[in-house]
Amino acid sequence: GESVGLHLPTLSVQEGDNSIINCAYSNSASDYFIWYKQESGKGPQFIIDIRSNMDKRQGQRVTVLLNKTVKHLSLQIAATQPGDSAVYFCAEKSGGSNYKLTFGKGTLLTVNP
Amino acid sequence: SAVISQKPSRDICQRGTSLTIQCQVDSQVTMMFWYRQQPGQSLTLIATANQGSEATYESGFVIDKFPISRPNLTFSTLTVSNMSPEDSSIYLCSVARTSGRAGSSNEQFFGPGTRLTVL
Repeated sequence: GESVGLHLPTLSVQEGDNSIINCAYSNSASDYFIWYKQESGKGPQFIIDIRSNMDKRQGQRVTVLLNKTVKHLSLQIAATQPGDSAVYFCAEKSGGSNYKLTFGKGTLLTVNP
Repeated sequence: SAVISQKPSRDICQRGTSLTIQCQVDSQVTMMFWYRQQPGQSLTLIATANQGSEATYESGFVIDKFPISRPNLTFSTLTVSNMSPEDSSIYLCSVARTSGRAGSSNEQFFGPGTRLTVL
């Protein structure tokens, strides 16, 4: 039968290190991508987004890289802090849709003090 | 960002009953959505709540099971009907609005979610 429990990929880092969270997408027609952070018991929180005509975008302590050739998206967090511990989801929007998002599996980031 | 509230924040319900979840936004938004997040899983879109017309459901979700109302541009409800333990999930309201920021598209923001447990 189907197993139960958390099946998320996990990443464990030391406080102060840089974190890289990866996401593969399958739809070459996707034209917009978003990273969300979800803390326990809360809804997803918007972190950063990027359009398909860009390959890099920077925010405060975060950078998103987009490689359309291999359909790969990554989120880099600089100087990771304990408050960054959460599940991180990538989401893609198909170019054929105005708003519909398809979410990836998510990655659990744990920051050790 | 939009401020989104949901009621109730959590509930424990008996099999066969129904629960209506409310979503309130602090400003008028064009698009509102309902998502389901099963335990330890990612988010799955249930439907788009259309103001003044029937909701648009995704594959695998039907109106009889998840009726949705959208009476105005700031409010929507999702009902989980005839519940079974398999409906135990977090139900999330989301809104989309044009960010106005260069390089961005239409940003989506999420409410805090309603954690539903069906016994």
